[in-house]
Amino acid sequence: EVQVVQSGAEVKKPGAPLKISCKVFGLGVTDYYIHWIQQAPGKGLEWMGFVDPEDGESVYAETFHGRVTISADTDIAFMEFRSLRADDTAIYYCTTAPGGVGPVNWFDSWGQGTLVTVSS
Amino acid sequence: QSVLTQPPSASGTPGQRVTISCSGSTSNIERNTVNWYRQLPGTAPKLLISTTDRRPSGVPDRFSGSKSGMSASLAISGLQSEDEALYYCAAWDDSLNGWVFGGGTKLTVL
Repeated sequence: EVQVVQSGAEVKKPGAPLKISCKVFGLGVTDYYIHWIQQAPGKGLEWMGFVDPEDGESVYAETFHGRVTISADTDIAFMEFRSLRADDTAIYYCTTAPGGVGPVNWFDSWGQGTLVTVSS
Repeated sequence: QSVLTQPPSASGTPGQRVTISCSGSTSNIERNTVNWYRQLPGTAPKLLISTTDRRPSGVPDRFSGSKSGMSASLAISGLQSEDEALYYCAAWDDSLNGWVFGGGTKLTVL
């Protein structure tokens, strides 16, 4: 059985950096990509980007390009904000997928989510 | 404003069949397959339908997906109280070069 476990909740001030993690159990690193999804309070889901754990290649959604770094170290993936803003307050989910870019793909195993609160 | 458009709410009574729509464009739904996710309150989304009409292992056959042109649909037959949840559609967008979601539909079982 595949399990995805994320790091715990964070409270940060605007301008602070943030790095959260996601560990995958039960899959080989060649079998999946890790995607990150943002869910702001009371809002829907927004795709942020993904990383290929096998070679570390990452691709970002336009909205997050330049603000976020997604990386991996074998079976642990990371999502990093250089400088947080109040509107980054959200739950961040990592999820596995059989592919990276391209349409024939789906998000199958999800982490429990990491709540990030940005407030002065 | 989400790229894919879903009705904000839907409802039905136990045993009924309900359909949730998801409207997009040529660059997403018309050209590509659609996935559906279900999110119960306070939990992570869960894959319900992949590649437009495939049910992952463990998803009951009461759930089915379809697509026509630039729109997709999720049908739930034999509605049960535990089907109350938020439902999201998603598709790859060739123009944005990324994944796009609908705004979500809250299903209420009356």
